Amino acid sequence: AQSVTQLDSQVPVFEEAPVELRCNYSSSVSVYLFWYVQYPNQGLQLLLKYLSGSTLVKSINGFEAEFNKSQTSFHLRKPSVHISDTAEYFCAVSDTRAGTASKLTFGTGTRLQVML
Amino acid sequence: DTGVSQDPRHKITKRGQNVTFRCDPISEHNRLYWYRQTLGQGPEFLTYFQNEAQLEKSRLLSDRFSAERPKGSFSTLEIQRTEQGDSAMYLCASSLAGVNYGYTFGSGTRLTVV
Repeated sequence: AQSVTQLDSQVPVFEEAPVELRCNYSSSVSVYLFWYVQYPNQGLQLLLKYLSGSTLVKSINGFEAEFNKSQTSFHLRKPSVHISDTAEYFCAVSDTRAGTASKLTFGTGTRLQVML
Repeated sequence: DTGVSQDPRHKITKRGQNVTFRCDPISEHNRLYWYRQTLGQGPEFLTYFQNEAQLEKSRLLSDRFSAERPKGSFSTLEIQRTEQGDSAMYLCASSLAGVNYGYTFGSGTRLTVV
């Protein structure tokens, strides 16, 4: 079984400032890692994912996350946030074993509030 | 490709009533998932289908819950004898088999049991 911890329930930050949203996971098997974003009144959207290869993954809108196996972390960062980044961000893990459902285990979410 | 559609968007029901939600996945996606999200929590896995076969159910899915995916297309989630604890956002997602393909989530159905 896997679990995901997002320690920060809310992160307030001023526009154009950098931000880091923390995610730690626990698993007895290898995992794939994901960040999803949920804007108000919308469904969850995949922001980025780590499956294999380079431990640094990037999204098209400037976010990046780095897989750190030794620290079992997958923190999300952005060097300069925009007001439109205000949303709920969820970290999730999935079992890597073949034949599994690829079901996701989510963290409790971090609300990023960007202020002017 | 119109995305994943869920109907209704909102449902208010009295305790003890039955409710049914519908999910229309992306047409070429063979996997369909149901998740439940309560306030302040991340989505929790309920069940998933590969084509028409229901392959896994969470222990969260009590006997009052049933899901179907006839013909491997749309899916329905029914809750019988609703309880106040069933109040939540019910999310549907679809994907192609294989984790390389990310989920596409619908906007969800918000259930309020009064």
